[in-house]
Amino acid sequence: EAQVTQNPRYLITVTGKKLTVTCSQNMNHEYMSWYRQDPGLGLRQIYYSMNVEVTDKGDVPEGYKVSRKEKRNFPLILESPSPNQTSLYFCASSLSRDSSYEQYFGPGTRLTVT
Amino acid sequence: SQKIEQNSEALNIQEGKTATLTCNYTNYSPAYLQWYRQDPGRGPVFLLLIRENEKEKRKERLKVTFDTTLKQSLFHITASQPADSATYLCALRHSGGGADGLTFGKGTHLIIQP
Repeated sequence: EAQVTQNPRYLITVTGKKLTVTCSQNMNHEYMSWYRQDPGLGLRQIYYSMNVEVTDKGDVPEGYKVSRKEKRNFPLILESPSPNQTSLYFCASSLSRDSSYEQYFGPGTRLTVT
Repeated sequence: SQKIEQNSEALNIQEGKTATLTCNYTNYSPAYLQWYRQDPGRGPVFLLLIRENEKEKRKERLKVTFDTTLKQSLFHITASQPADSATYLCALRHSGGGADGLTFGKGTHLIIQP
């Protein structure tokens, strides 16, 4: 089954404790991205990757890092989480960056930073 | 600046009627526009894509129109059912600035009353 998986689905952590949210897709997609979704603000892109070893900042990259060492995986790293990073996070992938291709979204990771 | 606007108020429709959702945009010249459905706490799911040279696209009970002169897309659900209740997002390709890929509107929450 074609899918994007994220882990963990739920995470409660404390300020400053480094964490990684994993994302994996099994569709051989070139393009992957991370979004955060907050009430009243909608989906906002954090980082994206057009292919292996190619990553770039989205609209709200501060406080986040990503890597793309393999085509299927695109982890999101919070080196020193802060309470304003409490949010619902989605990983997405598509065949390419061309907007004619639909994006497939993961199930989401709900992060709470206390 | 580029903007995508969807009606932020919830839309209440009686079961069996046609629901019509609006997506307006400014300062874009999109080649494509996409519509997604999002259920609470879950990732968006792709529904339809319409190209700039297409006036209308249909899929089962769904219909999308795209007016590049008005800079507007309309999303219709005919013979609506309570199971159609969800948030519907429109998305356009972002150009310029830091982000790449799709930029999403904030969504319209649709409620179908039995």
